[in-house]
Amino acid sequence: DAKTTQPPSMDCAEGRAANLPCNHSTISGNEYVYWYRQIHSQGPQYIIHGLKNNETNEMASLIITEDRKSSTLILPHATLRDTAVYYCIVSNYNQGGKLIFGQGTELSVKP
Amino acid sequence: DTGVSQDPRHKITKRGQNVTFRCDPISEHNRLYWYRQTLGQGPEFLTYFQNEAQLEKSRLLSDRFSAERPKGSFSTLEIQRTEQGDSAMYLCASSFSSVGEKLFFGSGTQLSVL
Repeated sequence: DAKTTQPPSMDCAEGRAANLPCNHSTISGNEYVYWYRQIHSQGPQYIIHGLKNNETNEMASLIITEDRKSSTLILPHATLRDTAVYYCIVSNYNQGGKLIFGQGTELSVKP
Repeated sequence: DTGVSQDPRHKITKRGQNVTFRCDPISEHNRLYWYRQTLGQGPEFLTYFQNEAQLEKSRLLSDRFSAERPKGSFSTLEIQRTEQGDSAMYLCASSFSSVGEKLFFGSGTQLSVL
């Protein structure tokens, strides 16, 4: 079973920041938080991952709480092309890629 | 780098027939994964290879399913005696083991069993 809880759906206005929450209260000390997204009819796409520090790349920012029990993915200026299902996953690197996907959050970016 | 390629994109078959899907990973990637996804659900892990060795198989992978990666490059997933419950999107992904779980997924093969 997935170790994360995400809201099933969210809306965001185009140009505004999209903040996607994820609860992972049972996360272990050696587990990373990963975010992937899946645009309709495509395979999932890696976005970002982190262990305990906040991370930023060209796609998004990842904010992890100090107790690591929750995190937020931030898309700073959402566009219509960001409409997708976003998956938050916790994984031990040594699991060798056995990512357990939940049902994710369906983000709709509206004009 | 042309990404992960899967063939065919769509497959329609009759119940009881065998089907085979192919995945070509990114060339320098040593890990290859198969996932299955049904409508409205997240992808479910099936199996993964490191080079040519199949290191883990999910309990979802019944004995009708077999996956191979004979030379550590492309992989095939075969389903024997297909059932209607096998209808799903079959996704392949690859990664390079030293960079954690940054998987690159293909666009999948959509299987419909009539």
